[in-house]
Amino acid sequence: DAGVIQSPRHEVTEMGQEVTLRCKPISGHNSLFWYRQTMMRGLELLIYFNNNVPIDDSGMPEDRFSAKMPNASFSTLKIQPSEPRDSAVYFCASFRTGGITGELFFGEGSRLTVL
Amino acid sequence: QQQVKQSPQSLIVQKGGISIINCAYENTAFDYFPWYQQFPGKGPALLIAIRPDVSEKKEGRFTISFNKSAKQFSLHIMDSQPGDSATYFCAASQGFGNEKLTFGTGTRLTIIP
Repeated sequence: DAGVIQSPRHEVTEMGQEVTLRCKPISGHNSLFWYRQTMMRGLELLIYFNNNVPIDDSGMPEDRFSAKMPNASFSTLKIQPSEPRDSAVYFCASFRTGGITGELFFGEGSRLTVL
Repeated sequence: QQQVKQSPQSLIVQKGGISIINCAYENTAFDYFPWYQQFPGKGPALLIAIRPDVSEKKEGRFTISFNKSAKQFSLHIMDSQPGDSATYFCAASQGFGNEKLTFGTGTRLTIIP
């Protein structure tokens, strides 16, 4: 089975540019999460969706960040305009409510570098 | 507000030794405590998890010890191997199957020959 698929794996951009990160969750999973990982702060939950509806976006750092989930198989995280402090690895993860293990499945991440 | 505190930040253990990572939580409503393992360039993956109705859970060389009164839990890796070198995250949530996990800040474990 395909896992959570993220793209791009690496992105280098200049300050002020728009960045779009993409995620395809595992088929059948009804919750999707965006996390940001940095050395200083570890894994931070940015936003999560349940059945394509945003449930909690309290972790989104500021208005420059936005996320959408137009359907059950696709989500985007957009940063506009990007800043050097946004440099991090961004993970998408999916989850199936009612699953046996309660396991959150992560993608391999998108490493963003803003110059 | 950090609700799950993890220590140490980094740990070096000799091959064959015991690796111990500790976590403490504040929210008494937490009742599901998983550990995730992350290798370089990969996303975290579930390693082992425990619920507070037991004080210990063992899977192979990995054991979670849980102290409800102290609000602490720890991961023990017995006979540590170089392949165990990774970053380990503890986490907590309210209710098994509640997808909103609160993660610790991670421990970078290095096993040396």
